[in-house]
Parts: sequence; structure tokens; C-alpha cells
Amino acid sequence: GENVEQHPSTLSVQEGDSAVIKCTYSDSASNYFPWYKQELGKRPQLIIDIRSNVGEKKDQRIAVTLNKTAKHFSLHITETQPEDSAVYFCAASKRSGGSNYKLTFGKGTLLTVNP
Amino acid sequence: SAVISQKPSRDICQRGTSLTIQCQVDSQVTMMFWYRQQPGQSLTLIATANQGSEATYESGFVIDKFPISRPNLTFSTLTVSNMSPEDSSIYLCSVRGSGRASEQFFGPGTRLTVL
Repeated sequence: GENVEQHPSTLSVQEGDSAVIKCTYSDSASNYFPWYKQELGKRPQLIIDIRSNVGEKKDQRIAVTLNKTAKHFSLHITETQPEDSAVYFCAASKRSGGSNYKLTFGKGTLLTVNP
Repeated sequence: SAVISQKPSRDICQRGTSLTIQCQVDSQVTMMFWYRQQPGQSLTLIATANQGSEATYESGFVIDKFPISRPNLTFSTLTVSNMSPEDSSIYLCSVRGSGRASEQFFGPGTRLTVL
């Protein structure tokens, strides 16, 4: 089955700096890659996603890049703010076969933005 | 996105007992999933709740321990049976809508503590 590796496990940045979180996946058939933000005690919130037919997607201060050949994708947050502090999870899934669109998650990255 | 609710939001149970968690969605959804999130950990898929048929379980999870029902397109239940302290976790349902969109959204979770 799919295996998703996520790095780093913790990341501390100064407010205004950029943050980058990287994930690799093992199943070349995976074609959908969402990112979730989970604040303490809250549910995971979908913040951005990318499908395998594009290499980059941006939404204001957040961007995601995908390299299908290398089987890795990254989350980029620019101009970080204290409210960006949370645990971020990457995930992978595929829309074909018997996968049922199920998500396989990375282990998460605790991002701390210091004011 | 769909509005998802779960009951109960939290519970403290004695070992050997069972707890049924409900997930209600405010619109019909094609797919519903149940995840477990152990303290400080990532999300692990337990099973896909199939409407009108038996759930599809992931490796390591069995129907006798985690029976699931899905009587219609807006409701599902997960039962944690014969509980032990190792079952202490947050249990989350998630839903995927219809159409080509792959986005999955999570319910608020049920925090279970087993003594």
C-alpha cells in the first residue's frame, strides 16, 4: 500500500519568514495530494490540494508543488504569522481501482511561528 | 463543504464496555470514512463506510472490534467494542462529496478515554 513520509517533524520560524514542509509518497498511481492544518483540539482542516495533472498551485500565502517523477510534494507558506502555528499533515490518495479515494497521511509537522 | 457533526464529542469509558459514535452530515455524500488519531499521532484510516453494504476495513482493523453501520447517505456509526486503554484515541469521521472533487472533510472528532 501507499506510504507517505513527511519532513521535518517540527519546524520553528520567525514571523514573516517562509516555511517549507516536504512529503514523499511510494505509490506512483497516487494522483491527489491534500494538505491539512490541525490546531490543538480541533479537527483537521483542508487548506490546499493538488492533483497529479498540475505541478504547482497557489492560494494567497500558501502554495503546493508536486514532482511526479521524484514522487514528492511540498507545502510552502510565505510571510508566516503566529496563527499559522499548528500541525500540518500531508496525504496521498488515488481515484482509480479499489482505493476508494482513501487518504494515507504523513506523520505531521508541528509548525511554530514565533512573533 | 458539508457540515459534519459527531456524537458524543467525548466520553470516558470502562474497559470491557462498548461505545457507539455517530456521524451526521447535512447533505448526501458518496463516501464516509472513519479514522483514528492516537494522542500526538497522525490519522489512520479504520474503514470505509459503505452505504447498504459491509464496511471495507484496513489492515489491522476488524469488524468484530469496530463494527460500522451506514444506513443512508447522511449517517454512519462506529462502535468500539470490548474497549481497552489502548483504544483511547480521537475517532473522526470524514466525508467525500459527489462529482469529480476529491476533497475530504472531517467531523469534529470524538475523544475517547478508556480506564
